[in-house]
Parts: sequence; structure tokens; C-alpha cells
Amino acid sequence: QLQLQESGPGLVKPSETLSLTCTVSGDSISSRTYYWGWIRQPPGRGPEWIGSIYYSGSTYYNPSLKSQVTISVDTSKNQFSLKLSSVTAADTAVYFCARLWYSAAGGAPTFDYWGQGTLVTVSS
Amino acid sequence: SYELTQPPSVSVSPGQTASITCSGDKLGDKYASWYQQKPGLSPVLVIYQDTKRPSGIPERFSGSNSGNTATLTISGTQAMDESDYYCQAWDTSTAVFGGGTKLTVL
Repeated sequence: QLQLQESGPGLVKPSETLSLTCTVSGDSISSRTYYWGWIRQPPGRGPEWIGSIYYSGSTYYNPSLKSQVTISVDTSKNQFSLKLSSVTAADTAVYFCARLWYSAAGGAPTFDYWGQGTLVTVSS
Repeated sequence: SYELTQPPSVSVSPGQTASITCSGDKLGDKYASWYQQKPGLSPVLVIYQDTKRPSGIPERFSGSNSGNTATLTISGTQAMDESDYYCQAWDTSTAVFGGGTKLTVL
């Protein structure tokens, strides 16, 4: 059964870089059917997509966050990672990693599996 | 930037039909997904590509999408369906989520 697990510091200081890793188990991150993504959800608000990555390293990011975001993949560890630079209190949120599934029949991809999420607070 | 608008709350009596809408410019030309989220848990996909149900999602969940509005319909609503629901679509390779609708079953 597929599992995604986020890990990383729960507290980050303003202006520093937030770093999180998602470990995938139960499936290969190198599967050609999937991208892998990061999504965040500020307290009491809706989710916000941060960006996604393919096992080859191909990425695409939310234009509103693109200048701050780097997503990378380590296929040998079946992991992918998020770095968000120059954080402020507005970046406080629960951060989820998720699998982005592309149907062989076509149509838009969808986030079919999510990790449990990890709360990251930006505060001095 | 593209926006998806949902009503903040919807109420329904047990056994009745609940409809949750999601509005966006020419949303019917895109595909909509719907996610259910209970407090403290991660979202669960309930509808994708407008009308399709993932394995394990009850048949009482259905979806439609036309014009500027996508709709999630829950037939025979049960107490366990009380949750937050979010729509999501893609606009020029950017995933966009709605602000969410709290479904209350009372």
C-alpha cells in the first residue's frame, strides 16, 4: 500500500529556508505514470499547490511561489524534497506531499494519494 | 491568476441530497477534482476528471461540470459525510484549489 511521509523541522526562523523531505513507500518514485508534488494549507484555509516533479527531475512550480521554491528528487532513496527560501510568517502552514496521477486514458492529472502532512511554523 | 469559488458552508439533513458548487471562468472546459477533508487529516480524493470515482469511494458521491460551474453531489447524505470539501482544477499547468465548503449534516 502506498504511503507518503513528510519529515523536517517544525519550526523555521523568518528569512531562513524551509526544508522538507517526502519518503515514498509501497511504490517506486520512478514510475512513469506519476509526478510527485508539494501542497500546503495555512491554518483554516484551503490548500495551495507549491509544485511538482517527475522522477527525471523535470519540475513545474506555482508561479506565485516560483522565486522561492526548489523541488528535487532522489530516486535512490525513493524521496523528493522541498526547499522554500526567505520564509515569512505567511509561510506557516501544514505541508503535504502527494502523488500526482496521470491516467493512461488522458485527461487532467489528479492528486490521488496524500501524506499525513507536517505543520511548519515560521517564527523567531 | 485563475480562481475557484466555493460557498463557505452548506447544510443538509441526513438522507437528503447535498450539492456543493465550484465556480471558475470556463471551468467546464477544464477537468475538476474534489477532495474531502476531515479535521486534522489529509485530503481524500472523492471525484476526479469531473465525474469519476476512485476505488473505495461510495456511489452516493457524484460530480458534474459544465459552463462555469462544477458540482459535487452527495445523495443520501450520511453523518460521516460531514467534512470540508475542496474543488481543484488546472489552469495553464498550475493546480488551483477552491477555498473550501464546510458540509454540515444536521
